[in-house]
Amino acid sequence: DAKTTQPNSMESNEEEPVHLPCNHSTISGTDYIHWYRQLPSQGPEYVIHGLTSNVNNRMASLAIAEDRKSSTLILHRATLRDAAVYYCILRDVRGGSNYKLTFGKGTLLTVNP
Amino acid sequence: DTGVSQDPRHKITKRGQNVTFRCDPISEHNRLYWYRQTLGQGPEFLTYFQNEAQLEKSRLLSDRFSAERPKGSFSTLEIQRTEQGDSAMYLCASSPSILPSSYEQYFGPGTRLTVT
Repeated sequence: DAKTTQPNSMESNEEEPVHLPCNHSTISGTDYIHWYRQLPSQGPEYVIHGLTSNVNNRMASLAIAEDRKSSTLILHRATLRDAAVYYCILRDVRGGSNYKLTFGKGTLLTVNP
Repeated sequence: DTGVSQDPRHKITKRGQNVTFRCDPISEHNRLYWYRQTLGQGPEFLTYFQNEAQLEKSRLLSDRFSAERPKGSFSTLEIQRTEQGDSAMYLCASSPSILPSSYEQYFGPGTRLTVT
């Protein structure tokens, strides 16, 4: 799986938007971009995924650069419950490699009250 | 359905002992995964089942590790002759195999193993 690069940590204030960046310059045409987050003392939780177009769901938005070499996870109004480690993961859905997730160290998001 | 469950949540064992962990996936999910996470790191893939068939094992899974999913439902992960380096959080996840839901993996709360 292609590698991703994320900042080690970011800080935000409650009720403000948060933009979490991810670089993936070696992304291939069949790599989906996935975001998971892990709250303290819990297992990871799926957030959102996309291929080429921007995506929205109830948790967040995913903005994908036109060349697909970077993406940004957007939390529209951060809450204290959003404090977590956020992982950006590329997942190739071709053939038999479409099942496992390859996590990096992620970005630790701190939300200040 | 209450999600993926794992038992026990915590296990402390002495070096050299054997331990076994259990994972109960979401009932209609036929894919099951095991990951291991050490402090400050993201989870690392260990192994994957589709129904009862174990389709891949990571190089991280030494001969002391064995995983089973005998009836395609719950799974067990056994570590024999535990070493201090086995201390980690062991995470189980499940997913359906049919798109688009198969893109999401649902994780359990993990079993934290401490080897003394």
